[in-house]
Amino acid sequence: EVQLLESGGGLVQPGGSLRLSCAASGFTFSTYAMTWVRQAPGKGLEWVSTISNSGGSAYYADSVKGRFTISRDNSKNTLYLQMFSLTAEDTAEYYCAKGGYNLDPWGQGTLVTVSS
Amino acid sequence: EIVLTQSPATLSLSPGERATLSCRASQSVSSYLAWYQQKPGQAPRLLIYDASNRATGIPARFSGSGSGTDFTLTISSLEPEDFAVYHCQQRSNWPRTFGQGTKVEIK
Repeated sequence: EVQLLESGGGLVQPGGSLRLSCAASGFTFSTYAMTWVRQAPGKGLEWVSTISNSGGSAYYADSVKGRFTISRDNSKNTLYLQMFSLTAEDTAEYYCAKGGYNLDPWGQGTLVTVSS
Repeated sequence: EIVLTQSPATLSLSPGERATLSCRASQSVSSYLAWYQQKPGQAPRLLIYDASNRATGIPARFSGSGSGTDFTLTISSLEPEDFAVYHCQQRSNWPRTFGQGTKVEIK
């Protein structure tokens, strides 16, 4: 069974940094692109970033470009999202998902709250 | 950026009724459109990919159609567990984009 488990969320002050992790199991992690999607409270889904299976290519939403970095460690079956210069607009549930386009499945999410 | 507009925002129906949800793209996405279902407090789940293909384990009452800029998700006969929010998403261009969602609620 494919499982994705996010961690690393929490309360952070504006301007702060946070690194999210997504531990994957149940599939050959190194053969799939991976994606981060976020959802602000009461809002719709927003695609954040996608990384290729090798890590050689990465794509970002304009809203996070230059502030967030997606990466992966295929030896640890883990996906990361390093977030810098956080603002209140980054407050959201962050989901990792298997795949680069048809996202299936998704993890349960980790909540990031940016507030002073 | 491709903008996806979903309509209606809310659909109020009774169990057993047919649900028809729309997703319109600001430019052609060919058939590169997916639908996701999200229940309260849960992560989204892939229902339909490439406009009309059901994902693994998705019941046959869910069907997708369309191409280019106009897409439809149809639930032929609503079951109690189908009341949820439905999101469309395009994979034609970067950045990937989602619609704002349609909530299917019990009338």
